[in-house]
Amino acid sequence: KAGVTQTPRYLIKTRGQQVTLSCSPISGHRSVSWYQQTPGQGLQFLFEYFSETQRNKGNFPGRFSGRQFSNSRSEMNVSTLELGDSALYLCASSLDVTLASPLHFGNGTRLTVT
Amino acid sequence: AQSVTQPDIHITVSEGASLELRCNYSYGATPYLFWYVQSPGQGLQLLLKYFSGDTLVQGIKGFEAEFKRSQSSFNLRKPSVHWSDAAEYFCAVGQTGANNLFFGTGTRLTVIP
Repeated sequence: KAGVTQTPRYLIKTRGQQVTLSCSPISGHRSVSWYQQTPGQGLQFLFEYFSETQRNKGNFPGRFSGRQFSNSRSEMNVSTLELGDSALYLCASSLDVTLASPLHFGNGTRLTVT
Repeated sequence: AQSVTQPDIHITVSEGASLELRCNYSYGATPYLFWYVQSPGQGLQLLLKYFSGDTLVQGIKGFEAEFKRSQSSFNLRKPSVHWSDAAEYFCAVGQTGANNLFFGTGTRLTVIP
């Protein structure tokens, strides 16, 4: 069974631009969560989607948004990029939202903002 | 508020030696606790989890962790470290009904031959 696939693996953007990251969950998984990983702040929860609905959102500005499609694939968008948005963005999928089903992480998208 | 503290930023052990990585959490109810490992350029892989029941949980790759409610700790252990265990280890806490985990800042493990 294929794992969580995140595309692209690397991105370089300029301040002020916007970016869209994609995540394809493991087949059959309906929950997708997004995390930001930086050396300074560590791993921080961005948001979680289940059945196309956002269930939880972390403490990030409105420039960060996401969505989930009917096939459970998810995208996150960051508008008006800032230098501090440079990070590894990790997507995780699971069967449901009970945490009894473990989170399976992708290898991430490395975003560099210049 | 939920939080996780991993007091050791970096640990170096010799191959074959035992390992203990510390994790302390703050959470109002019974926590769901996890240990993840991350190799360079990779995502996170779940090593083990604790929800309830037996406080000593076994995971993959020979790791185990012990939940101690009185100490708010969930330390990760391995009796004999292999060179391939070199990676970054993250402790995390969560609650049922939500897939948002709170992670510690991680402990980087170096294994010397």
